[in-house]
Amino acid sequence: DAKTTQPNSMESNEEEPVHLPCNHSTISGTDYIHWYRQLPSQGPEYVIHGLTSNVNNRMASLAIAEDRKSSTLILHRATLRDAAVYYCILSPLTSGTYKYIFGTGTRLKVLA
Amino acid sequence: DTEVTQTPKHLVMGMTNKKSLKCEQHMGHRAMYWYKQKAKKPPELMFVYSYEKLSINESVPSRFSPECPNSSLLNLHLHALQPEDSALYLCASRTWGGPGRQGTYNEQFFGPGTRLTVL
Repeated sequence: DAKTTQPNSMESNEEEPVHLPCNHSTISGTDYIHWYRQLPSQGPEYVIHGLTSNVNNRMASLAIAEDRKSSTLILHRATLRDAAVYYCILSPLTSGTYKYIFGTGTRLKVLA
Repeated sequence: DTEVTQTPKHLVMGMTNKKSLKCEQHMGHRAMYWYKQKAKKPPELMFVYSYEKLSINESVPSRFSPECPNSSLLNLHLHALQPEDSALYLCASRTWGGPGRQGTYNEQFFGPGTRLTVL
């Protein structure tokens, strides 16, 4: 299974954009790229996902490199509530089921 | 209702005990997952059930025994655990099938987890 690599931690000022990078150089052609985040004492929650094209939703944007070997999660205006661990995840199809392989995660600190 | 519930919230057990963790969802999801998360580490996949059948076992030791008695319920039976098995155990569920196109995402919903301590 392919793996992802993320920086351990990043800091951002409140109300500024944040770019969280993820490397997945061994990604397979059918692996989806997901981002989830985990707040303290909670289970992870969905942020965004994509396959080949850039994606936008109300929470964030996902920019996927043309060769799919890296991607970037973009939070357009960080708030204090966005402080969390952000996981970049690949989901290969295995035995007819999608499994989720979490990266090491980036701890985002948002400064007021 | 987009909630996945897990009981108990906390569990302390000795190495000779037998205990069970329970996970429940009423979203009609037919794929259910168990993850193990050690402190300051990412969740690691343990098992996946699809339509109440075990479809993925990530080489988990046999002292962990999953069970899916119906489409809403997922159990994890624990026996003869070791102290290194102490962790947060997370359950998740999702609609069976692919993640979907943009705007039609079959996301995983996670429960809050059971924090397990093995003495």
